[in-house]
Amino acid sequence: KAGVTQTPRYLIKTRGQQVTLSCSPISGHRSVSWYQQTPGQGLQFLFEYFSETQRNKGNFPGRFSGRQFSNSRSEMNVSTLELGDSALYLCASSLGLVGSNNQPQHFGDGTRLSIL
Amino acid sequence: DQQVKQNSPSLSVQEGRISILNCDYTNSMFDYFLWYKKYPAEGPTFLISISSIKDKNEDGRFTVFLNKSAKHLSLHIVPSQPGDSAVYFCAASASHAGNNRKLIWGLGTSLAVNP
Repeated sequence: KAGVTQTPRYLIKTRGQQVTLSCSPISGHRSVSWYQQTPGQGLQFLFEYFSETQRNKGNFPGRFSGRQFSNSRSEMNVSTLELGDSALYLCASSLGLVGSNNQPQHFGDGTRLSIL
Repeated sequence: DQQVKQNSPSLSVQEGRISILNCDYTNSMFDYFLWYKKYPAEGPTFLISISSIKDKNEDGRFTVFLNKSAKHLSLHIVPSQPGDSAVYFCAASASHAGNNRKLIWGLGTSLAVNP
């Protein structure tokens, strides 16, 4: 069974640009969550999508947005990039909503975004 | 405010001995706790979880203990192996209105198991 796939693995952008990251969940998983990981802040929750609807959202500005398609694949978009957006962006999938029936999340290997 | 705290950034143990990783939390509404392991250049991998209705859960060499009164949980790895060297994250969640949950993560503890 294939795991969670994130593309691209590495990305370099400049300030002011926008970026789209992609995540393909494990087959059959309907929930996709996105996290930002930085050395000082650990994993910070961005949002969770389930059945193409955003079900939960973290404390990030509106520049961070996402969507989920009917096949459960998800994309995350960051507009007007800032230097502080440099981070590892992780996607995780689970069968149901986070915490439902105590189903754990399965993570991809992340996209390393560097802003110059 | 860090609701989930892993106060030891790093830990070093000898192969074959016990590794004990600690995690403290402040939110008494947390009722589900997980441990994840992360190798460099890879995403976190689920290790073990525990619900607040239990005080212990065991899976092979890994045991998680939960002390609700102290708002403390720990992960025991016995015996430790060099392949266990990784960053270990503690995460917790609580049910909110509409049954939405999100995981709150600690900053991680880097475990080094020395041969």
